[in-house]
Amino acid sequence: GAVVSQHPSRVICKSGTSVKIECRSLDFQATTMFWYRQFPKQSLMLMATSNEGSKATYEQGVEKDKFLINHASLTLSTLTVTSAHPEDSSFYICSATGGGLFYEQYFGPGTRLTVT
Amino acid sequence: QKEVEQNSGPLSVPEGAIASLNCTYSDRVSQSFFWYRQYSGKSPELIMSIYSNGDKEDGRFTAQLNKASQYVSLLIRDSQPSDSATYLCAVIGTGFQKLVFGTGTRLLVSP
Repeated sequence: GAVVSQHPSRVICKSGTSVKIECRSLDFQATTMFWYRQFPKQSLMLMATSNEGSKATYEQGVEKDKFLINHASLTLSTLTVTSAHPEDSSFYICSATGGGLFYEQYFGPGTRLTVT
Repeated sequence: QKEVEQNSGPLSVPEGAIASLNCTYSDRVSQSFFWYRQYSGKSPELIMSIYSNGDKEDGRFTAQLNKASQYVSLLIRDSQPSDSATYLCAVIGTGFQKLVFGTGTRLLVSP
């Protein structure tokens, strides 16, 4: 299957600071990338959908000014958590699809964010 | 009614048995169906995709799709303890981009 990487895998930051997470498709061009968040023992929650060169589409209840998404190229999307607070601590996972006929999504390994 | 429904489990099977995981979906126009495996603390991994009615086999995994009944299943033959994980059923919705996930079925394979 296709490979998606994320960096960093773990990050600890202080409350009030910003954190940037990178998501890269390594062996395919990702027309669309997605950002999810998952709290312990809970389901994946889609935060936003990002098409290359376009503004991201955020899900209801997700603050677009707090979670800044940039999809500047067909292989890279970034999520910046601005002014992070302890309640933002979570497992952030990106996925990517090359489109095609059936839109398989491949997930990155995730980034565990802890805000102290 | 939830868009994608799965039994949360846990489904317990002995090593070597067949594990059968089921999923129903509500959107009749759905075209693409996926099974993801998620180990605790890890991200989901795509293990099977199916688009046409019938069976699709890949190694020990068989996905089954019945669009008339709006039903997708995953069979795991010769189950191994390493198959113990949460299995997520996902459907591409009418927007043809977003995945709609079920809540997942936790599978436990005992040695």
